Amino acid sequence: QQQVKQSPQSLIVQKGGISIINCAYENTAFDYFPWYQQFPGKGPALLIAIRPDVSEKKEGRFTISFNKSAKQFSLHIMDSQPGDSATYFCAASSNQFYFGTGTSLTVIP
Amino acid sequence: SQTIHQWPATLVQPVGSPLSLECTVEGTSNPNLYWYRQAAGRGLQLLFYSVGIGQISSEVPQNLSASRPQDRQFILSSKKLLLSDSGFYLCAWSVGQAYGYTFGSGTRLTVV
Repeated sequence: QQQVKQSPQSLIVQKGGISIINCAYENTAFDYFPWYQQFPGKGPALLIAIRPDVSEKKEGRFTISFNKSAKQFSLHIMDSQPGDSATYFCAASSNQFYFGTGTSLTVIP
Repeated sequence: SQTIHQWPATLVQPVGSPLSLECTVEGTSNPNLYWYRQAAGRGLQLLFYSVGIGQISSEVPQNLSASRPQDRQFILSSKKLLLSDSGFYLCAWSVGQAYGYTFGSGTRLTVV
């Protein structure tokens, strides 16, 4: 059973546009929601994370929006750049980590 | 600062040969350690995790095994590789479950 459902599987965005990746979960015990960015041939790297006591967290062009009642959270990449092209994983954890299935983002110049 | 080392970066092995991948962490004590596998274009599959020396939990039955001979060393092994063992293997560490993982740079294993 997939604990964290991530969509879309792939995403193509024009340079300067907004990239949006969504994740949903069921387990209300989850208390930490990170996003990872992975470039080809590299390990995933922590990008940004949020805890359920806040509804939004912003770091530069990256924003997590968190909806506790809907059990959903999303990553927004503003002013998307070709260098943002990568695979993005959401995750959720309580006493164990669960990753989404990943979204391949391509930003077209 | 904490760093994680994983080697080798790439490996091509024949079917039926043994495997040993090593991961070491520096700058922290008693980390939780993890082995993940990522098939081409796919997500992250947790294979093993360890919360201490000699303590290994297996998530997926397979012909792979893991060992933690030292606090900051995690080894992934196989006695006989299968074609289906090909993939991108990632080691990761964390301090407790409530914080993010730090991943190594990965090992690309191709079984031929």
